[in-house]
Amino acid sequence: DSGVTQTPKHLITATGQRVTLRCSPRSGDLSVYWYQQSLDQGLQFLIQYYNGEERAKGNILERFSAQQFPDLHSELNLSSLELGDSALYFCASSGSTLGWGSRGNTIYFGEGSWLTVV
Amino acid sequence: TQLLEQSPQFLSIQEGENLTVYCNSSSVFSSLQWYRQEPGEGPVLLVTVVTGGEVKKLKRLTFQFGDARKDSSLHITAAQPGDTGLYLCAGVHSGGSNYKLTFGKGTLLTVNP
Repeated sequence: DSGVTQTPKHLITATGQRVTLRCSPRSGDLSVYWYQQSLDQGLQFLIQYYNGEERAKGNILERFSAQQFPDLHSELNLSSLELGDSALYFCASSGSTLGWGSRGNTIYFGEGSWLTVV
Repeated sequence: TQLLEQSPQFLSIQEGENLTVYCNSSSVFSSLQWYRQEPGEGPVLLVTVVTGGEVKKLKRLTFQFGDARKDSSLHITAAQPGDTGLYLCAGVHSGGSNYKLTFGKGTLLTVNP
């Protein structure tokens, strides 16, 4: 158990719909990251938040948005869903946005949210 | 554009065999991490290598970071069924307050009893 909690674990929805994925980071972790994993693209970085503020943006579509709340939990909103959005969405957390080059920093992944768009 | 190329994509071996998987890039990274992902789970960090030429050992797993910090390898000795999983390498880009992991597509390892 990584300590990162994601809900829902599985979600099936229709094209054009909107869904919200939720993430509770490990206790005390200030950074939250969202990743998308698909068979053809692998694990792709979407966005990072640190203590409520956006810190880095990756391959996140304009139809997708995220936020981190004062209690540090995060939500990833996916709208106007397309078949190609079907994937496993991971949330991860770490203690600090600093020190990535150090040996001590570790990022912990949740178990993911399986999204199927039909 | 896939910045990190992992090879092989798939590997199926018998228990007790040795294997090496590779992670190659044209980019230089601040550090490089290896993860293992099992079905239904998120990736779990195995090791972080920081210095060019660094070698780290984790029981039967040996990780090496290339001298130029662009490539890495993972060698498993006497593989066991419990080693089965998706092995991912991730390059770490760090600069200021922005940190990003770039993952390879992974090597799916199956160790047959």
